[in-house]
Amino acid sequence: EPEVTQTPSHQVTQMGQEVILHCVPISNHLYFYWYRQILGQKVEFLVSFYNNEISEKSEIFDDQFSVERPDGSNFTLKIRSTKLEDSAMYFCASSGERNGSPLHFGNGTRLTVT
Amino acid sequence: AQSVSQHNHHVILSEAASLELGCNYSYGGTVNLFWYVQYPGQHLQLLLKYFSGDPLVKGIKGFEAEFIKSKFSFNLRKPSVQWSDTAEYFCAVNPNTNAGKSTFGDGTTLTVKP
Repeated sequence: EPEVTQTPSHQVTQMGQEVILHCVPISNHLYFYWYRQILGQKVEFLVSFYNNEISEKSEIFDDQFSVERPDGSNFTLKIRSTKLEDSAMYFCASSGERNGSPLHFGNGTRLTVT
Repeated sequence: AQSVSQHNHHVILSEAASLELGCNYSYGGTVNLFWYVQYPGQHLQLLLKYFSGDPLVKGIKGFEAEFIKSKFSFNLRKPSVQWSDTAEYFCAVNPNTNAGKSTFGDGTTLTVKP
């Protein structure tokens, strides 16, 4: 079964540094998402991406965050200047259709900001 | 905005016991409903989904869920749990107009004792 793959599995960075989290969605999927889960809290929507542009974003997804699909297969999340509170598990997901299609998640990247 | 409430934060059962995990949502329109499972060290996986039709839906590994529209509920059930069902379970909802912005519940940790 095709999978969403995320790298790295764990990223440690210092406050103020830029990080890029990588995702390879399922190849025939058209919709891509980032979610995050702060330890002990619920899974939160960050952003959705379709047709090479952001289709929706949450209030969490401020100017420090950006997404890109640079080459037709990768889907990246960049945090420009990390803060301590950005420490979380970041999940990439993809889906084939917009309405009601379930999300297929990657294993997540654990981001630790020190 | 939609919200999802999972009543049980941590459930501990013995093998062969029956399971029911509660999920209630609030949203005024038509929704799609999902249960995801996250086994230790693994990614979120879809257990089952409800879009329309028969309100009793069956998923993988013997799980089922019943959509009761009047109660805004989508409880997850399994008649006889196994040790391998130990995991965290997330209920999620998205409006029928936007598959991406799924809202997740807080999650329920299920521990099955052998």
